[in-house]
Amino acid sequence: EDQVTQSPEALRLQEGESSSLNCSYTVSGLRGLFWYRQDPGKGPEFLFTLYSAGEEKEKERLKATLTKKESFLHITAPKPEDSATYLCALREAGNMLTFGGGTRLMVKP
Amino acid sequence: SQTIHQWPATLVQPVGSPLSLECTVEGTSNPNLYWYRQAAGRGLQLLFYSVGIGQISSEVPQNLSASRPQDRQFILSSKKLLLSDSGFYLCAWSVAHSLQETQYFGPGTRLLVL
Repeated sequence: EDQVTQSPEALRLQEGESSSLNCSYTVSGLRGLFWYRQDPGKGPEFLFTLYSAGEEKEKERLKATLTKKESFLHITAPKPEDSATYLCALREAGNMLTFGGGTRLMVKP
Repeated sequence: SQTIHQWPATLVQPVGSPLSLECTVEGTSNPNLYWYRQAAGRGLQLLFYSVGIGQISSEVPQNLSASRPQDRQFILSSKKLLLSDSGFYLCAWSVAHSLQETQYFGPGTRLLVL
């Protein structure tokens, strides 16, 4: 059975303090690893898709990387507006996604 | 561009009452459609998905059902709500038959069963 584990559950950073969020997974054949951002009371917003180990994608202060066992979401010099819950999800076969529990990020000014 | 709508945004219902949540997608044809539930502070659990009109697959046995009466309309229903049905319900869509399918989510419906 697919398993997706995100850590830490919650992360508090000062503005400008860079850090990384982790998404570890066990799957027999990965067909995509997805990162989403979710603000309170709203639907998840798509950020990145990664397909193979070694792949990296960037968007503003965010960079996602992928290995055979985990993915990292690096946040460089975060701002308060980066505060949100970050979700990762994997697709093994078909159209189904398996989501992790999320990391709640709080960036203080 | 594609847009996904959900209504109502918030709903408070008594135990035992019926439920109907609606999701519509604009700007695309024959999308795959999904219903998820998110418990407070937790990840998303897939409830139903549909690859076409009248085609519904259920992932979790429960008190809920889904229907797709039109190509871009997805409805989540219940005949009698339970307290455990409370949660944040999200509809999502993706492009059918795409090698790089990404799911895009709607704004969600917050359901509170009292």
